Amino acid sequence: DAKTTQPTSMDCAEGRAANLPCNHSTISGNEYVYWYRQIHSQGPQYIIHGLKNNETNEMASLIITEDRKSSTLILPHATLRDTAVYYCIVRVGALGGATNKLIFGTGTLLAVQP
Amino acid sequence: DVKVTQSSRYLVKRTGEKVFLECVQDMDHENMFWYRQDPGLGLRLIYFSYDVKMKEKGDIPEGYSVSREKKERFSLILESASTNQTSMYLCASSLFVLAVYTGELFFGEGSRLTVL
Repeated sequence: DAKTTQPTSMDCAEGRAANLPCNHSTISGNEYVYWYRQIHSQGPQYIIHGLKNNETNEMASLIITEDRKSSTLILPHATLRDTAVYYCIVRVGALGGATNKLIFGTGTLLAVQP
Repeated sequence: DVKVTQSSRYLVKRTGEKVFLECVQDMDHENMFWYRQDPGLGLRLIYFSYDVKMKEKGDIPEGYSVSREKKERFSLILESASTNQTSMYLCASSLFVLAVYTGELFFGEGSRLTVL
């Protein structure tokens, strides 16, 4: 699985958009980009995933560059409850038990400020 | 909603004790996983299972074993606990077919183990 690089920490003002970057320059053609977040003292929570196209759901938007070497997770109106560690992960979306695992890095600590 | 339940939120054990961490999911998921989480190291995969009685080693299996006798239950076993196994342990599950395309893992709340 491709390695990802994320900033260690970021701040964002409450009510503003939070843009979290992720570099995955060695990503291959069949690898998906996933985002999870972990609020303090809880287990990680799935946010969104994508392959090539930009994706949006009720939680966030995922923007993937055309060359797929980087992506940005956007929380459009950050709230204090969005303070968490955000993990960017790339994974092959193939069949088989051995590939059904996600490798988490250390993520980005997003601190939403009042 | 999918619920993944870990048996204990906090445990304190002594070096050399046998420790069982239990995880139960209620959505008939094929895949189950055990991770440990340590400051500065992120989440690291210990073992996973994609079917009853099936298991595969993750990235750090040494010192651990697992058991999957029923589909809904995945147990992590520390045969002889050591201080370097003090950590947060997280269980997760995913649906096999959808996991191929969504990668959506459902995590429990975690079990914080302290080995003295």
